[in-house]
Amino acid sequence: GQQLNQSPQSMFIQEGEDVSMNCTSSSIFNTWLWYKQDPGEGPVLLIALYKAGELTSNGRLTAQFGITRKDSFLNISASIPSDVGIYFCAGGNNAGNMLTFGGGTRLMVKP
Amino acid sequence: GAVVSQHPSWVICKSGTSVKIECRSLDFQATTMFWYRQFPKQSLMLMATSNEGSKATYEQGVEKDKFLINHASLTLSTLTVTSAHPEDSSFYICSAPLAPLQETQYFGPGTRLLVL
Repeated sequence: GQQLNQSPQSMFIQEGEDVSMNCTSSSIFNTWLWYKQDPGEGPVLLIALYKAGELTSNGRLTAQFGITRKDSFLNISASIPSDVGIYFCAGGNNAGNMLTFGGGTRLMVKP
Repeated sequence: GAVVSQHPSWVICKSGTSVKIECRSLDFQATTMFWYRQFPKQSLMLMATSNEGSKATYEQGVEKDKFLINHASLTLSTLTVTSAHPEDSSFYICSAPLAPLQETQYFGPGTRLLVL
């Protein structure tokens, strides 16, 4: 099925550094969602974006819904070891609740 | 946030047996639930949409006779992997939106299936 282009695929950073990842699509989405998945667990919703241009924060996390509605980014400031995991973006376009997922960004944080 | 549970969290079975996985919305009703499959180091792949009161909608390439879905109530959907084979071994995850037509979905913790 269709996937969003998510980058980078993986990141290995030092604790305390800021992180940025993004998703792009050739299609327009009405909703952008960011999830985090820990090993052996289901994805957990981090941030939901519903309006083009919207910038939303959740603690050290900040995400934006691109003006063109074809992209979104997620920033993590001052990373800590528990930020380790796989981050997925997902786009929704009112097609019966269905979401399209990015390929994921694997984040590794060195203490 | 909303809570979605899955049972069992992991299961090991012999080839040829059937396995049932339950997905429940614990504090809200879900007329629609989704079933995903995830292989190691890969993204989530939508298998089917489970609809309360009607037949499930399967994604292209997913065998409906192999993966039986029953949306028994507004809080329960089940996925039965029939005549499981080793290639069916995977991580199965369900999700549900808080409200009809809402795109924000909440995921269950997943069920790891190992078929020997």
